[in-house]
Amino acid sequence: QKEVEQNSGPLSVPEGAIASLNCTYSDRVSQSFFWYRQYSGKSPELIMSIYSNGDKEDGRFTAQLNKASQYVSLLIRDSQPSDSATYLCAVRGGIKAAGNKLTFGGGTRVLVKP
Amino acid sequence: DVKVTQSSRYLVKRTGEKVFLECVQDMDHENMFWYRQDPGLGLRLIYFSYDVKMKEKGDIPEGYSVSREKKERFSLILESASTNQTSMYLCASSLMGGQPQHFGDGTRLSIL
Repeated sequence: QKEVEQNSGPLSVPEGAIASLNCTYSDRVSQSFFWYRQYSGKSPELIMSIYSNGDKEDGRFTAQLNKASQYVSLLIRDSQPSDSATYLCAVRGGIKAAGNKLTFGGGTRVLVKP
Repeated sequence: DVKVTQSSRYLVKRTGEKVFLECVQDMDHENMFWYRQDPGLGLRLIYFSYDVKMKEKGDIPEGYSVSREKKERFSLILESASTNQTSMYLCASSLMGGQPQHFGDGTRLSIL
């Protein structure tokens, strides 16, 4: 079982719709959760951080965390073609996470069609 | 804004060469990381450092070494480059305590 799992996609959504991405993790004591966006040929760019259960909104992005069920999700509202990218989920574990090490999922590729 | 600067965007080297990849961050971050990213394999951690002169092996350290003589600079060294080290190399840095990592632009390294 991978430590951080994401559906690789592609997730195809029409322009203006909501894209819903999911991520599950295995380390029950994980503390910090991040979503990164990566365009083809570019480096990952941080878009959301979430540390406690519930929802966190930032513009068109909403991150949702449920520690009891060990999943974190990302919603992209009013999807635009510029949102077409790979989205990486990253998790920082508990006491095992020396040096602020993150574990990354394999990423979900999102395609927004005009 | 956090700035993580990698010395080269593209680099071509020959097999057997010793290759140095440099990374500098300007935010006084304690932690620095080197990853490689290959299609279908995702981000893989090579080495990381949580303090000057401190280093820890990541998931794939074989064939690599690192150096951190100053807090802001973290170097990745390919001791004797091989073709299977052709990849995108990404440097990242972060503060302590669960803060996110911030990435440089990456170095696309080709070993011929």
